[in-house]
Amino acid sequence: DGGITQSPKYLFRKEGQNVTLSCEQNLNHDAMYWYRQDPGQGLRLIYYSQIVNDFQKGDIAEGYSVSREKKESFPLTVTSAQKNPTAFYLCASSISPNTGELFFGEGSRLTVL
Amino acid sequence: QQPVQSPQAVILREGEDAVINCSSSKALYSVHWYRQKHGEAPVFLMILLKGGEQKGHEKISASFNEKKQQSSLYLTASQLSYSGTYFCGTEMTHSSASKIIFGSGTRLSIRP
Repeated sequence: DGGITQSPKYLFRKEGQNVTLSCEQNLNHDAMYWYRQDPGQGLRLIYYSQIVNDFQKGDIAEGYSVSREKKESFPLTVTSAQKNPTAFYLCASSISPNTGELFFGEGSRLTVL
Repeated sequence: QQPVQSPQAVILREGEDAVINCSSSKALYSVHWYRQKHGEAPVFLMILLKGGEQKGHEKISASFNEKKQQSSLYLTASQLSYSGTYFCGTEMTHSSASKIIFGSGTRLSIRP
């Protein structure tokens, strides 16, 4: 079945460590997105990519980095520069920009101790 | 700019109706509506592209005003399964750099 796979589902890390969250899709979608969700809040855009080897900063990109070397993959690194990294991270994809529905992965919950 | 959603929370009895609003200070290219159950990923409900558009079915529908600055989601004769947090997502432009920005969400609780 086609879909978006995020891993790991739960992750605990010590303060100061970099963490990479995986996002893989087999939907043949061009566009991919990373959102951050904090308890009781909406989804805030971290980074997005409309095509391979290209990506743009979202509203809260500081302390995060991404790569898009393959169409299927859009990993997110939470660096030690991110001051408050504990959150629920959601990856999404769409067929192409401006074509509607976002398909979301099941999310990765990161807790920094 | 983040769209403004209202109300922040709604509590209904089963069978009652609800309206959730999403507004922008500028005209939008499109509005998306999603529902998220606790601990799960958001699920797409519908997208509106045209000013004056109304979409959906009898139970869950949405509208997009003529100026394309406001959208409303209508939940009719609510069922327990409608519980969750509803988000509107908005696109400002139709371009290769387009991005979807979400509102802060409306938490809907349905009681038997």
